[in-house]
Amino acid sequence: DAKTTQPPSMDCAEGRAANLPCNHSTISGNEYVYWYRQIHSQGPQYIIHGLKNNETNEMASLIITEDRKSSTLILPHATLRDTAVYYCIVRVRAGNNRKLIWGLGTSLAVNP
Amino acid sequence: ETGVTQTPRHLVMGMTNKKSLKCEQHLGHNAMYWYKQSAKKPLELMFVYNFKEQTENNSVPSRFSPECPNSSHLFLHLHTLQPEDSALYLCASSHRDNDQETQYFGPGTRLLVL
Repeated sequence: DAKTTQPPSMDCAEGRAANLPCNHSTISGNEYVYWYRQIHSQGPQYIIHGLKNNETNEMASLIITEDRKSSTLILPHATLRDTAVYYCIVRVRAGNNRKLIWGLGTSLAVNP
Repeated sequence: ETGVTQTPRHLVMGMTNKKSLKCEQHLGHNAMYWYKQSAKKPLELMFVYNFKEQTENNSVPSRFSPECPNSSHLFLHLHTLQPEDSALYLCASSHRDNDQETQYFGPGTRLLVL
């Protein structure tokens, strides 16, 4: 089962910031939070990941609460091409492997 | 372009056919993965290869047979599939030695079993 909870859908106006929330209240201390997005019928695209600290890259910012039970992905200036399903994922350790536990994500619609 | 390619991009096959899906990564990674994505369901991890050795098989039916001849190539051999096997099959790769390893995905193969 997924270790994250996300709203099934969100809307955002073009040019505005898109803030996508994620709850991961059962996350363990050494488990990373990853964000991917998937544009219709394409492979998932890596966006960003973090453990405790906030992170920023050329695509987005990731804000993780101090208790690590939730996080927010911020797309600072959403464009129509950002319309996609966004997945918040906890990476868990299973034996010698590290596994991404996927949910159903948030379908973000960026509107003109 | 993520550096992970998959062929074919689309495949239609009958239940008695045998076909193979191919994945190639150009990222110098040492781990490769097969995932299945069915409509309205989360991505399901099928197989994991680490340094060409299979390290995970998530109770996948034997009609799916993976092969990893080297760390850059991964195949999924298909035979006597069922209509419920129709899905998007995704390949991914990562660098296993890094604690912050990130999986990079290919574009997927859209499979339809008739």
